[in-house]
Amino acid sequence: GDSVTQMEGPVTLSEEAFLTINCTYTATGYPSLFWYVQYPGEGLQLLLKATKADDKGSNKGFEATYRKETTSFHLEKGSVQVSDSAVYFCAYYNQGGKLIFGQGTELSVKP
Amino acid sequence: DTEVTQTPKHLVMGMTNKKSLKCEQHMGHRAMYWYKQKAKKPPELMFVYSYEKLSINESVPSRFSPECPNSSLLNLHLHALQPEDSALYLCASSQEPAGGFVKNIQYFGAGTRLSVL
Repeated sequence: GDSVTQMEGPVTLSEEAFLTINCTYTATGYPSLFWYVQYPGEGLQLLLKATKADDKGSNKGFEATYRKETTSFHLEKGSVQVSDSAVYFCAYYNQGGKLIFGQGTELSVKP
Repeated sequence: DTEVTQTPKHLVMGMTNKKSLKCEQHMGHRAMYWYKQKAKKPPELMFVYSYEKLSINESVPSRFSPECPNSSLLNLHLHALQPEDSALYLCASSQEPAGGFVKNIQYFGAGTRLSVL
């Protein structure tokens, strides 16, 4: 069935550390893939997207590459900041048009 | 501008109260959504309006009643809620009803944090 699996959190990093949040999906076909971010007390914001295999989405220093072979869309950032502390959701639309979310990964960045 | 505005930001209500949540977008989007989100969990879809008509109801209890008065506005009427309904309620909109295309990207509001006493 349709599903997204993200690495469990919370992830705690020091400022300027390298970040990877793993995301793999199970879907019919090759859907567009998204990362949403939710800062404390706020709604979800679209962070980045990729629409086809080998596409790289990027925004605010974050990157993710659509890997068809491994059905993955891992989120990376080379140097995290305290302001990146948030919950990150990997997602895609299934064939019924429903947005399928992963369980979310909480990131905490310490100064 | 990708702004979806939700009011109020916070709401406290008793189990016998009637209240409404409001969502507004001026992006010309033709699909609007209500989600419920518990702390640190992903949003759960409740309702979808497509071209001002209810197209999806995810078996939501009747104490939640959605309304789409026009293409820019979406309301969620609340009546006789239970404490377990306390959550963050998110509204979203997309250019077209979701179908897996990039133009159907959903843009979310900041949410209404609801507490039911």
